[in-house]
Amino acid sequence: KAGVTQTPRYLIKTRGQQVTLSCSPISGHRSVSWYQQTPGQGLQFLFEYFSETQRNKGNFPGRFSGRQFSNSRSEMNVSTLELGDSALYLCASGHRLAGGSGELFFGEGSRLTVL
Amino acid sequence: AQTVTQSQPEMSVQEAETVTLSCTYDTSENNYYLFWYKQPPSRQMILVIRQEAYKQQNATENRFSVNFQKAAKSFSLKISDSQLGDTAMYFCAARSDKLIFGTGTRLQVFP
Repeated sequence: KAGVTQTPRYLIKTRGQQVTLSCSPISGHRSVSWYQQTPGQGLQFLFEYFSETQRNKGNFPGRFSGRQFSNSRSEMNVSTLELGDSALYLCASGHRLAGGSGELFFGEGSRLTVL
Repeated sequence: AQTVTQSQPEMSVQEAETVTLSCTYDTSENNYYLFWYKQPPSRQMILVIRQEAYKQQNATENRFSVNFQKAAKSFSLKISDSQLGDTAMYFCAARSDKLIFGTGTRLQVFP
């Protein structure tokens, strides 16, 4: 059974550009959540999608957005990139909504560098 | 709001010894779940162990066990018979409506 797949794995952008990251969850999983991991701030929750609807959102500016498609694949977009957006972006999928004990399975992440 | 605190940025242990990683949390929710995740160097995050807050019995998974003190809002992880492959970042996390992580503890297992 394939795991959570995130693309691209690495990317470099310049300030002011925008970026789209993709996440393909494990087959059958309907929940996809996104996290930003930085050395200074640690792991911070961005948002969660379930059945194409955003169910929860973290404390990030509106430049960060996402969506989920009918096949449960999810994308997140960051517009007007800032240096501080450089981070490892992790995607996790699960059977159910985040409000439960179900295990979340993480992808290897997309490492974004903003120059 | 939920918060998770890991007060040990780094720890080390010799192979075959036992080590305990500390975690405290704060939540106003009655129903929540607690987790320890492991992130090996340059590898993906995996679940080590989970605990339902309504269960009094401490969770155990092979060499990994937790000491869950609900009143004190404490959730420590004990790793017995440490192995070199246990070297990783360990994150404590709490979940009610969303998963909130602590800042992590970097564990180094020495031969």
